[in-house]
Amino acid sequence: AQKITQTQPGMFVQEKEAVTLDCTYDTSDQSYGLFWYKQPSSGEMIFLIYQGSYDEQNATEGRYSLNFQKARKSANLVISASQLGDSAMYFCAMREGGSYIPTFGRGTSLIVHP
Amino acid sequence: NAGVTQTPKFQVLKTGQSMTLQCAQDMNHNSMYWYRQDPGMGLRLIYYSASEGTTDKGEVPNGYNVSRLNKREFSLRLESAAPSQTSVYFCASRQGNSNQPQHFGDGTRLSIL
Repeated sequence: AQKITQTQPGMFVQEKEAVTLDCTYDTSDQSYGLFWYKQPSSGEMIFLIYQGSYDEQNATEGRYSLNFQKARKSANLVISASQLGDSAMYFCAMREGGSYIPTFGRGTSLIVHP
Repeated sequence: NAGVTQTPKFQVLKTGQSMTLQCAQDMNHNSMYWYRQDPGMGLRLIYYSASEGTTDKGEVPNGYNVSRLNKREFSLRLESAAPSQTSVYFCASRQGNSNQPQHFGDGTRLSIL
């Protein structure tokens, strides 16, 4: 079974609108962490946001926020006020326990239309 | 402020040739990683090194070897390249605390004919 599932291979959004990218995870550990990365067409991987399993508040970083629903095992990325530069692949990743090794999902392609 | 540097950025090999991909980081990170990225597959871990002097296999280690030369450098070697190893290869590093994100190099696009 996949540890990280990103069910939306592709998403489209109008510029200035908000968009939610889905991520569900599977773990039996109580301590874990979730990461989101952005990969623009130029290819580099850019860290966006982190949520720890014990964090009481949902993580936010500028226009990025993480909708963390522990009981549902979901950690969806919300991008507010989309910009053309947000067009990219987005990857969700999880590390479990004290592991050094995050597991990545297969990614969601986001296209922002003007 | 170089971060993680990978060389080369592009390479074309013939089947059976050998090659070493180089990776160096200047952030004094303990952990380093090699991933491959194939269309629709996300990032799959080839090998990692939790600290200088240690290396361990990841999800897809077959056909690869690694060397953690020192704290800065972590190289990936293909001894006898195969077309199935055509991919984009990423090196990453991370600080010891497991809450810290990985920092990635810009990738090496490798084609094997």
